[in-house]
Amino acid sequence: DGGITQSPKYLFRKEGQNVTLSCEQNLNHDAMYWYRQDPGQGLRLIYYSQIVNDFQKGDIAEGYSVSREKKESFPLTVTSAQKNPTAFYLCASSTGEIQETQYFGPGTRLLVL
Amino acid sequence: GQNIDQPTEMTATEGAIVQINCTYQTSGFNGLFWYQQHAGEAPTFLSYNVLDGLEEKGRFSSFLSRSKGYSYLLLKELQMKDSASYLCAVSLDTGGFKTIFGAGTRLFVKA
Repeated sequence: DGGITQSPKYLFRKEGQNVTLSCEQNLNHDAMYWYRQDPGQGLRLIYYSQIVNDFQKGDIAEGYSVSREKKESFPLTVTSAQKNPTAFYLCASSTGEIQETQYFGPGTRLLVL
Repeated sequence: GQNIDQPTEMTATEGAIVQINCTYQTSGFNGLFWYQQHAGEAPTFLSYNVLDGLEEKGRFSSFLSRSKGYSYLLLKELQMKDSASYLCAVSLDTGGFKTIFGAGTRLFVKA
């Protein structure tokens, strides 16, 4: 079964702690994305990667970091510099062609203790 | 700047037809997506319009007018399971792989 997975489903962060959200896809897609969704707002792009070992900042990259060491994996770290991390985080992938639709993972809900 | 506007909420009756509008002002335009998102779940793809006109896919149709910066999603024969948020998204022609999303329209289908 091809698809995109995210873990964990729920994640709790303590003050000053870095946490990492996992995103894995077996669709053989070149491009991967991280979005943040807050209540009543659209998805906002955090980071995206068009190819392995390369990634670009999106609109709200401050306080986040990513890596793309493997085609299948695009983990997102929420650092202590992100002062308002509570949100629903969605990972997506696409073939990388401009007109291709993005396929989304089930999401991770991050809560601050 | 980039801007996408959709109504926040709509209510419709089971079996009826509902039209969800989307207007956009963006620098660069490749095409327009519609996604469906149930509460707490991931968005799923519904349609993609590149050219002006109506694209029909079963109970769902999507219309695009690039000159007016306008699209709508038409849902026919509404079912209770259609209660969800509907996201309008624009694929930008900026040389990169960037899509911007509207805030979504929450549709409530009542019996």
